[in-house]
Amino acid sequence: NAGVTQTPKFRVLKTGQSMTLLCAQDMNHEYMYWYRQDPGMGLRLIHYSVGEGTTAKGEVPDGYNVSRLKKQNFLLGLESAAPSQTSVYFCASSQQGGTGGLNEQFFGPGTRLTVL
Amino acid sequence: AQSVAQPEDQVNVAEGNPLTVKCTYSVSGNPYLFWYVQYPNRGLQFLLKYITGDNLVKGSYGFEAEFNKSQTSFHLKKPSALVSDSALYFCAVRAVNSGYSTLTFGKGTMLLVSP
Repeated sequence: NAGVTQTPKFRVLKTGQSMTLLCAQDMNHEYMYWYRQDPGMGLRLIHYSVGEGTTAKGEVPDGYNVSRLKKQNFLLGLESAAPSQTSVYFCASSQQGGTGGLNEQFFGPGTRLTVL
Repeated sequence: AQSVAQPEDQVNVAEGNPLTVKCTYSVSGNPYLFWYVQYPNRGLQFLLKYITGDNLVKGSYGFEAEFNKSQTSFHLKKPSALVSDSALYFCAVRAVNSGYSTLTFGKGTMLLVSP
């Protein structure tokens, strides 16, 4: 199993450009998440999904959109990139349920995005 | 709102010595607590979790964590550090959003183990 994969690994954008980050998981997990990691800020949840066709906002959703058309894929879109969106983006997935409704999350390797 | 604090940006320890990485939490209700590790240029990996039961939780790679309700702490420990333990460590707590559980992460603590 590949686990959680992310495409691309690196990307440089100019302000105002758009792009889509792709996350794929082969573990048949119901839940998927997008985080951004910034120095000194830890990981912050952008959006998440609790099943195919569902999405929900996390802590820092502004400027991002997501879609979960297939269970195994979770897409993160930036419609008009800004320098403040320069970050490392991580996707994660987890099984549904668990004690307290939360199982361990499995993370992808990350996408390093620079917006000039 | 749920939150975790990691008071140390960096912890330095010599190989073979015991290590502690600190975490305190603030929650309403029962705390569900996690530790993750991030090696350079990699995604996070799950180490261990506390849901209920014994206050000492054992996890991967010889790590353990001690839950202390009165001090609202969940410190990560290892009896004998290895150079290969050098990494970024994150404490996390369950948060509830729109009826679903998610994780709120601390800012991370860099652990450096010297030979």
